Amino acid sequence: EVQLLESGGGLVQPGGSLRLSCAASESTFSSYWMHWVRQTPGKGLMWVSRISSDGSGTTYADSVKGRFTISRDNAKNTLYLQMSSLRAEDTAVYYCARGGGGYYYAFESWGQGTLVTVSS
Amino acid sequence: DIQMTQSPSTLSASVGDRVTITCRASQSISSWLAWYQQKPGKAPILLIYKASSLYSGVPSRFSGSGSGTEFTLIISSLQPDDFATYYCQQYSSYSRTFGQGTKVDI
Repeated sequence: EVQLLESGGGLVQPGGSLRLSCAASESTFSSYWMHWVRQTPGKGLMWVSRISSDGSGTTYADSVKGRFTISRDNAKNTLYLQMSSLRAEDTAVYYCARGGGGYYYAFESWGQGTLVTVSS
Repeated sequence: DIQMTQSPSTLSASVGDRVTITCRASQSISSWLAWYQQKPGKAPILLIYKASSLYSGVPSRFSGSGSGTEFTLIISSLQPDDFATYYCQQYSSYSRTFGQGTKVDI
């Protein structure tokens, strides 16, 4: 089973930027859609963004559109989330999750999460 | 975006109980619905996909049903390990929305 390991979280001031990474343990990474999901402490799950297996297609939640950019490097088996113009409401644990090889797949594997705190 | 509404938000139950959680979509999603279990401090894990298909390794006491806009997760006989929060998620649209969660506690 694929292992996903997020990194890059931390404390950032409002208006600042941060880049999250998600390293996959398997070379099959390039075959799968990938997603970012976040969870505000004590609250529910919110889907953030997705990217197709070859990186050609991306989608964002309305609340992050224009501020966040998802990307991937299949040669490095790594997914990224570039976050800018961060707000207090972006404070959350960010999970990467593996979808399937196409559109109609649930999230079969998840990372352990990385905490992003936006505060002055 | 497609809105997902779960009920109840909290459910108190005992070991051995049959537990039912409902999820409603704001528009038809066919059978493109998944259920996840999450325990405190842990990532979610996939239980059910395509509304009624049991994911590999998930105990058979978990089952799912429904299509269109109404879906159900049933735990046939609640076990101590099942006390957790459960989320439904639609994957009919590019924006994969989750329900607000149902916490199952003692």
